[in-house]
Amino acid sequence: QVQLQQWGTGLLKPSETLSLTCAVYAGSFSGYYWSWVRQPPGRGLEWIGEIDLTAHTSYSPIGKVAHSENTNYSPSLRSRVTISVDTTKKQFSLKLSSVTAADTAVYFCARVKQWAGGEYYFDYWGQGNLVTVSS
Amino acid sequence: SSELTQDPAVSVALGQTVKITCQGDSLRSHFASWYQQKPGQAPVLVMYGRNIRPSGIPDRFSGSTSGNTASLTFTGAQAEDDGIYYCNSRDTSENLYVFGTGTKVTVL
Repeated sequence: QVQLQQWGTGLLKPSETLSLTCAVYAGSFSGYYWSWVRQPPGRGLEWIGEIDLTAHTSYSPIGKVAHSENTNYSPSLRSRVTISVDTTKKQFSLKLSSVTAADTAVYFCARVKQWAGGEYYFDYWGQGNLVTVSS
Repeated sequence: SSELTQDPAVSVALGQTVKITCQGDSLRSHFASWYQQKPGQAPVLVMYGRNIRPSGIPDRFSGSTSGNTASLTFTGAQAEDDGIYYCNSRDTSENLYVFGTGTKVTVL
């Protein structure tokens, strides 16, 4: 059973950088999109961005190589967001710079699967981390 | 535009049937996926495509789509169906995912 476990800083001051990491246990890391979603207290879900590990992998003397780790971000957060990946550890990370109180939310990591051409679903989620921005 | 609109809340008597809807332009070219969220928990995928239930989701859940509207129907609602339901779809024109505003379902 695929499990996503996430961790990171829970309390930040305005202007600091939010940093969260999500580890994937069981199942393949390549072949999927890996996303971050947030939820402000009492409000709905907002997609933050994703990293694409669906690209074809090939083999080299150093082992399997993923040819693409393209990222895609929500336009409203694009200027402040970075999603990166460490394939050797099966982990992906979120950094959100220059945070304000408006960034206070529960942040979830999630696996996204393409089940048909142009069609996707979020099938596994992390447990969520509350990040509070306060001076 | 990148918006998916849902009714804020709906209630249903135990064992009765209720349909919740999700409207948005992206649904004219993409299917919705649906998620149930209970307080303090991560969302859970309950439906995707025209009417595809992930493993473990009871068959009292069914989905449909028409034009710019996707629907999720509970036939014989149970107490455990309480929660907030969000729809989601890909918006290829803006290359992002959009979540609906959420519908709070209360089983009476």
